[in-house]
Amino acid sequence: RKEVEQDPGPFNVPEGATVAFNCTYSNSASQSFFWYRQDCRKEPKLLMSVYSSGNEDGRFTAQLNRASQYISLLIRDSKLSDSATYLCVVNTRGSQGNLIFGKGTKLSVKP
Amino acid sequence: ETGVTQTPRHLVMGMTNKKSLKCEQHLGHNAMYWYKQSAKKPLELMFVYNFKEQTENNSVPSRFSPECPNSSHLFLHLHTLQPEDSALYLCASSPPYKDYNEQFFGPGTRLTVL
Repeated sequence: RKEVEQDPGPFNVPEGATVAFNCTYSNSASQSFFWYRQDCRKEPKLLMSVYSSGNEDGRFTAQLNRASQYISLLIRDSKLSDSATYLCVVNTRGSQGNLIFGKGTKLSVKP
Repeated sequence: ETGVTQTPRHLVMGMTNKKSLKCEQHLGHNAMYWYKQSAKKPLELMFVYNFKEQTENNSVPSRFSPECPNSSHLFLHLHTLQPEDSALYLCASSPPYKDYNEQFFGPGTRLTVL
């Protein structure tokens, strides 16, 4: 089983749509969770951290279910500029540096 | 501009060549990382340095040799590479340890091994 699994997509959605990404992780000892965003031919950048209580940042909502080892990202009212690859990332040891990345889910928002 | 720079941005080398990738961070961080990103594969952590000390070597072949002379600079020395080593090599840095620390990535060096 892969350590971090994501639906590769691509997700092709119209502007204004709501889109949800799912991610599962295999190591139950994982302690920190993130969503990174990577634009085409660019470096990954942190979108948001994911906390047990869930967190929201504008149009973006992240949820964590530790029992199911499942992480989600919801994007509401999607914009053209949201087109990118979204990477689910897990810190497996609670120690600096050991981030495990999923392959990413590609999102394409169309006019 | 993330504050992490990498040179060169593109590199083409033969299997017998020796080359080095350079990374510099201007963010005052104490940890630096090398990652490899191949097509259709997830980002793979290669090496981690904390306060200039290597704390992680993720089973990387010895043809990749990292060097961290200080907390701001990181090198990846390459020799006798294989075509399958062609990939995007990303450097990242992060501030002192907390679980939810963000890693800041450089733009990467796109390496092609002929």
